[in-house]
Order: sequence, then structure tokens, then C-alpha cells
Amino acid sequence: NAGVTQTPKFQVLKTGQSMTLQCAQDMNHEYMSWYRQDPGMGLRLIHYSVGAGITDQGEVPNGYNVSRSTTEDFPLRLLSAAPSQTSVYFCASSYFGGLNTGELFFGEGSRLTVL
Amino acid sequence: GNSVTQMEGPVTLSEEAFLTINCTYTATGYPSLFWYVQYPGEGLQLLLKATKADDKGSNKGFEATYRKETTSFHLEKGSVQVSDSAVYFCALLSGGGADGLTFGKGTHLIIQP
Repeated sequence: NAGVTQTPKFQVLKTGQSMTLQCAQDMNHEYMSWYRQDPGMGLRLIHYSVGAGITDQGEVPNGYNVSRSTTEDFPLRLLSAAPSQTSVYFCASSYFGGLNTGELFFGEGSRLTVL
Repeated sequence: GNSVTQMEGPVTLSEEAFLTINCTYTATGYPSLFWYVQYPGEGLQLLLKATKADDKGSNKGFEATYRKETTSFHLEKGSVQVSDSAVYFCALLSGGGADGLTFGKGTHLIIQP
């Protein structure tokens, strides 16, 4: 049972480069989301999706794009990386019943460093 | 808006000590409250939850009681183990939940043998 799978686990970018963080889940969850985790800041929501073809912005969406073409996948794109985007990124998913009860399933995280 | 405040730590305890991690919240309406745990190198996982006032969530020896009058949800464990070393996040869910949980900043717990 794979759960939520994120790739890559580690990435180093130069300022201005673009990249995509991949997230896939095999639990048929309708809801998927991306958080970033920064020291002393906790987790902050970047973007989320309640189903294929539907996305919305969270608390800190600037500099990131998402799309949801399938139920399983929810990639996060950095269009032009900046040092302020150095962080650990977590993908999380839930079924709607679980979402209403706050039960999110998290991936293992992707550590991104922007030089 | 919603917010969660918790002690940041690090909190260092000896094995078998009693643990309390404080959490207070501000929210509109009647939120559900959660504790998530993040072990080293892993993602977060739900530890326990409470959905209404006076509910007690419990799991793996940890407990927390939803106190509406003090807007608190403190995490407790009677006797901690080295394996409990992790980062603990208090969180709340208000409304439909699609715009996500509101997390505290996390408390780093270190248990020494």
C-alpha cells in the first residue's frame, strides 16, 4: 500500500530555474493539497484540489502552479524558483468524509533548496 | 481568522517522565481539533482528534481534551519513551475543511534515555 508518494525527495535549484514536484496517491482520494513547512512557521497551505479539474489557492500560492488532470496526481510547479521557496514540501490527500474530520494522509516530503 | 498557538520547544525530557504540550486556539464557530506527529524523516500522521467540547482524543498512550471554555487542547502522556521523540503539531479544522487545516508551529520533543 503506497499511500501518498512524492518525488523527488531532495532537489537543489538555482534562482530562476523551474521544476515540478510530483505527488501521486493510490487511495482514490478526491482531495489533494500541497503544504510547505518552514522552521518556526509550521505548515502553510499552498494549493488544494477537491477533484480532477478543480484547483484553488491556499494561504501562500504565489510562485506556484498546480493542475489536477487525474484523481491520482497533483503536481506542484515552481515557475521561477526563488531562495524564499527553500522549504520542505508536503503533499496530503483525503477522502471527503475524512476531510470533514480533518484526517489528512501525508507524503514523506520533498526538501527543496534554491541557491 | 483561525490560529493555533503551541509551545515550540525543543522540549527535552527523560524517559518515563510526564509530558504536557500546550495548545490554544482561536477559531470561528466550533472547530475540530487534532494532534499530528512527525517522526524524523517522515510526513505527518494523525495522532488523535476531538470534534466537540469535552471530547477526549486518545491514541498510543497520548490524550488531549477539547476545552471550549479555555480554548485549549493540551497533549499529555503519562510516561514517555525514546520512540516518542518527534515533532508534534496541534491543528484545527473549521468549516468545510477544503481550505485545509490550520496548524501550529510544531513542538520538537526530545526524549533522553
